[in-house]
Amino acid sequence: AQTVTQSQPEMSVQEAETVTLSCTYDTSESDYYLFWYKQPPSRQMILVIRQEAYKQQNATENRFSVNFQKAAKSFSLKISDSQLGDAAMYFCAYRSDLNTGNQFYFGTGTSLTVIP
Amino acid sequence: KAGVTQTPRYLIKTRGQQVTLSCSPISGHRSVSWYQQTPGQGLQFLFEYFSETQRNKGNFPGRFSGRQFSNSRSEMNVSTLELGDSALYLCASSPRTSGGPYEQYFGPGTRLTVT
Repeated sequence: AQTVTQSQPEMSVQEAETVTLSCTYDTSESDYYLFWYKQPPSRQMILVIRQEAYKQQNATENRFSVNFQKAAKSFSLKISDSQLGDAAMYFCAYRSDLNTGNQFYFGTGTSLTVIP
Repeated sequence: KAGVTQTPRYLIKTRGQQVTLSCSPISGHRSVSWYQQTPGQGLQFLFEYFSETQRNKGNFPGRFSGRQFSNSRSEMNVSTLELGDSALYLCASSPRTSGGPYEQYFGPGTRLTVT
């Protein structure tokens, strides 16, 4: 089974600064998708950004970008110009591209605190 | 479109009882997955249903079961509740299960407390 590891249980960042959250995964598959989800204190999980493994270009969504290193099986999330609303639990997730269902594998999460 | 809805939002049960949680996916979504979220454990996959068929099952005991109806609504049932079943149960829906980077859309969760 695939495993997703987030080695930083907690991180903090000053408002307007940049922070990078780490994620590594283990898989023998060549085609897959990676996601970062955000879970604010209200508990509704929302998608932040996604990356297709076959794309070399790193995905970007406004202030959020990823550093995808396929060979190293690394998928970090960079948040630029951090805002108070970015404070949340962030989960990295993996999904296979095989037609074996829709099982997502999640890391244990990183709790991000934004300091005013 | 309305989002994923889960009912009830909060539940308090006693050890030994059973509980049924409900999830209504986004209209048109046929895949519904269930996760158990506990502090320190992250999200642990319970099972996934697609077109009323269970496609995947996580490593949970048989006390955890689920089903999906023809309208894609899903229920999960936990029998003989244990204290360790206290958790946030999240439901997520997706339009498809393969062929693209389809995300899962999550509901607000059901907070289950077992006393």
